[in-house]
Amino acid sequence: EAGVTQFPSHSVIEKGQTVTLRCDPISGHDNLYWYRRVMGKEIKFLLHFVKESKQDESGMPNNRFLAERTGGTYSTLKVQPAELEDSGVYFCASSQIILAGGSGNEQFFGPGTRLTVL
Amino acid sequence: GQQLNQSPQSMFIQEGEDVSMNCTSSSIFNTWLWYKQDPGEGPVLLIALYKAGELTSNGRLTAQFGITRKDSFLNISASIPSDVGIYFCAGQLYYDKVIFGPGTSLSVIP
Repeated sequence: EAGVTQFPSHSVIEKGQTVTLRCDPISGHDNLYWYRRVMGKEIKFLLHFVKESKQDESGMPNNRFLAERTGGTYSTLKVQPAELEDSGVYFCASSQIILAGGSGNEQFFGPGTRLTVL
Repeated sequence: GQQLNQSPQSMFIQEGEDVSMNCTSSSIFNTWLWYKQDPGEGPVLLIALYKAGELTSNGRLTAQFGITRKDSFLNISASIPSDVGIYFCAGQLYYDKVIFGPGTSLSVIP
């Protein structure tokens, strides 16, 4: 079974440009999450999709970030315009089902996209 | 917001030694998770703990969910070079977002 995949693996852009990151979750996983790790800090939650709906976007830093998941399959995260502080590693994760505790909620992470804004 | 403290921040150990790392939280979680991240990869789940007091093993790894639901530890026995990486503790409420600790960087000297 294929894991979570992310594209691109690396992106280097100039401040003010636009970048779009893509995540393909594990097939059949309804839950899709975006996280990011900026230099030297912990991995932080950005948002959570259940199928195509945004369940929780409390971690999105500002309105320069736009996430979509049309059709409930892959997701994109667009940063427009990019700023220097947006540099970091952006992770996507997916999970299969929702249970009130117990197994089944494990999130499987992709390899991440390393974004560098110059 | 919820914050996790993880210690130690980094460790340098000899191959064959045992390792212990801890995580504490300012609030309770339903699930405690331990992840490992290798360079260029995403975090990989090592152990998941679902009940207060639960002690779970996965090969050379042992982790426990604290009674207060605000702490957890991870032990690695007889370390080997491939144990090198960053270990993250994390907490989760049901299917909610995962809250990560800052990580423990482990180096194993052959």
